Amino acid sequence: DTEVTQTPKHLVMGMTNKKSLKCEQHMGHRAMYWYKQKAKKPPELMFVYSYEKLSINESVPSRFSPECPNSSLLNLHLHALQPEDSALYLCASRRLDRGTYNEQFFGPGTRLTVL
Amino acid sequence: DAKTTQPNSMESNEEEPVHLPCNHSTISGTDYIHWYRQLPSQGPEYVIHGLTSNVNNRMASLAIAEDRKSSTLILHRATLRDAAVYYCILMDGNEKLTFGTGTRLTIIP
Repeated sequence: DTEVTQTPKHLVMGMTNKKSLKCEQHMGHRAMYWYKQKAKKPPELMFVYSYEKLSINESVPSRFSPECPNSSLLNLHLHALQPEDSALYLCASRRLDRGTYNEQFFGPGTRLTVL
Repeated sequence: DAKTTQPNSMESNEEEPVHLPCNHSTISGTDYIHWYRQLPSQGPEYVIHGLTSNVNNRMASLAIAEDRKSSTLILHRATLRDAAVYYCILMDGNEKLTFGTGTRLTIIP
């Protein structure tokens, strides 16, 4: 299994809803990432988990809450979002081997629309 | 992270080589040069990376200038499936990929 899967593919939510995005990989990667990508823009890093611990938070608003319950799973909990949060949310993972470069593997993303 | 500069867009004919340039005049000695690409409706994918020497893999070649202030990604024989946004990224070994605006490559049949 050499892929990162993300569910759902599409999500429409209201500003008062609570929803979650899910990301899964079974490649034994111990670093996992959330990125946000607005239309026609490059991806922007949101969070990084290393060995299931949050290592980087790029000053993301608290209405986005990440969670890494185990080494294969990464969630992004959404609450009280704004319409400007509508975007493609990408998950990525990476092997953590010392001394070698390990590229990031990206999932196909969840396209989120906030009404 | 040091900044990279790439043309916004490029076109190439199918089955011809493509040279995608990247300028990184403020590169530091420990920065690796990475290339990722994003095909339409997909997440980014790794293409190649290098430090000082030219690099080849099954997808592409990376030519790095002697002063490391610029590099060129070479696709030896472009196909329609190579149409994508190509990102040149500098990384000093930390975990962060900081994407620039990239080059949108169009392949003409």
